[in-house]
Amino acid sequence: GEEVAQTPKHLVRGEGQKAKLYCAPIKGHSYVFWYQQVLKNEFKFLISFQNENVFDETGMPKERFSAKCLPNSPCSLEIQATKLEDSAVYFCASTKGDSNQPQHFGDGTRLSIL
Amino acid sequence: AQKITQTQPGMFVQEKEAVTLDCTYDTSDQSYGLFWYKQPSSGEMIFLIYQGSYDEQNATEGRYSLNFQKARKSANLVISASQLGDSAMYFCAMRGTDSNYQLIWGAGTKLIIKP
Repeated sequence: GEEVAQTPKHLVRGEGQKAKLYCAPIKGHSYVFWYQQVLKNEFKFLISFQNENVFDETGMPKERFSAKCLPNSPCSLEIQATKLEDSAVYFCASTKGDSNQPQHFGDGTRLSIL
Repeated sequence: AQKITQTQPGMFVQEKEAVTLDCTYDTSDQSYGLFWYKQPSSGEMIFLIYQGSYDEQNATEGRYSLNFQKARKSANLVISASQLGDSAMYFCAMRGTDSNYQLIWGAGTKLIIKP
């Protein structure tokens, strides 16, 4: 598609439950990025993919966060055993990969942990 | 390490005036890109303008222009003839090869346009 599609828009989970977020990048874009934004403040980089391969995972909390980008499927970000501090908006962005191309963002998934 | 600094947490500007949002950066990369995004209260991220480190001309997109001063490592966003709809958070971001193409973000500036 022509837009980055993120689902769901809102996700509410009880503390300790699992949360799974999805992202369909723009067709033809080979790079996908996940960012976490807490309270509309700075963006924290989590992980990036080049096609289905992990490109950079330096921002990922290793214990509970995992992500995948499989062929012919939306990318996913999964949080196991959620904590209150995981409450944030999670943005997915995609780009062709040329350094002068902007990252195009989805509308984000607002995750609320109760 | 790469870093973006936005020193203005918030700004009030009268409608129709021009506004400059400050952004300074730090990087050891020779090749990098600078981006500005707008985030309205509805939350989506809107790409505004891009400046490449090797671009000789300042980037312009409609009412947006980027005042790029490479020696000073600054990339200020200028919005001409501000409108009420310009009220939003504005984020400056940098992408360089050192960062594996992830965007490094500033803290943002909240711009409020007064009627």
